[in-house]
Amino acid sequence: AQSVTQPDIHITVSEGASLELRCNYSYGATPYLFWYVQSPGQGLQLLLKYFSGDTLVQGIKGFEAEFKRSQSSFNLRKPSVHWSDAAEYFCAVGASGGTALIFGKGTTLSVSS
Amino acid sequence: GAVVSQHPSWVICKSGTSVKIECRSLDFQATTMFWYRQFPKQSLMLMATSNEGSKATYEQGVEKDKFLINHASLTLSTLTVTSAHPEDSSFYICSALHQGGINEQFFGPGTRLTVL
Repeated sequence: AQSVTQPDIHITVSEGASLELRCNYSYGATPYLFWYVQSPGQGLQLLLKYFSGDTLVQGIKGFEAEFKRSQSSFNLRKPSVHWSDAAEYFCAVGASGGTALIFGKGTTLSVSS
Repeated sequence: GAVVSQHPSWVICKSGTSVKIECRSLDFQATTMFWYRQFPKQSLMLMATSNEGSKATYEQGVEKDKFLINHASLTLSTLTVTSAHPEDSSFYICSALHQGGINEQFFGPGTRLTVL
């Protein structure tokens, strides 16, 4: 079955500390992978995406993610978290950029001062 | 560029009434749009795929007679929740597929529906 697993429901990180959000996927075809961020009551903002090529992908707001095919993972990282990064983060997978996406359940990020 | 809007951003209605939600691609054409539903603290679940000029494709378990989708133009898809009930209260998000060489979908800001 096709699915996305985000093992961490809630993570709290101190401001200035590094962050890693985990994402594992199960997909029958070559996956197109995405990370989105959602603030309360808002829509989704694309942080980054991976289609092919370099497995380390740079995104907006200082985020990056690494695709590891052998581990079926696409973890999101940021070297130094800012208070404004507190939000809900979703990992998603699709057959291409143009197909409906399968989303993980999301990880809530809290940032402590 | 690649902006998708939704209207209204929030709506409160009485049980038994119908509500229409619009999804518009403002600066690009989209032959395909997707409708997702998100319950509080939950992930997004695909409800249906909307194709311009043809019938929508609904996911298993989604009542097509209750959630009417019309994709009448290349920039507009509408979702009508008919005879809404409190259990239909949710956050509805659409996305539009950009086919101008980008092959990427862009999400609207969502519509919060509350049925009393």
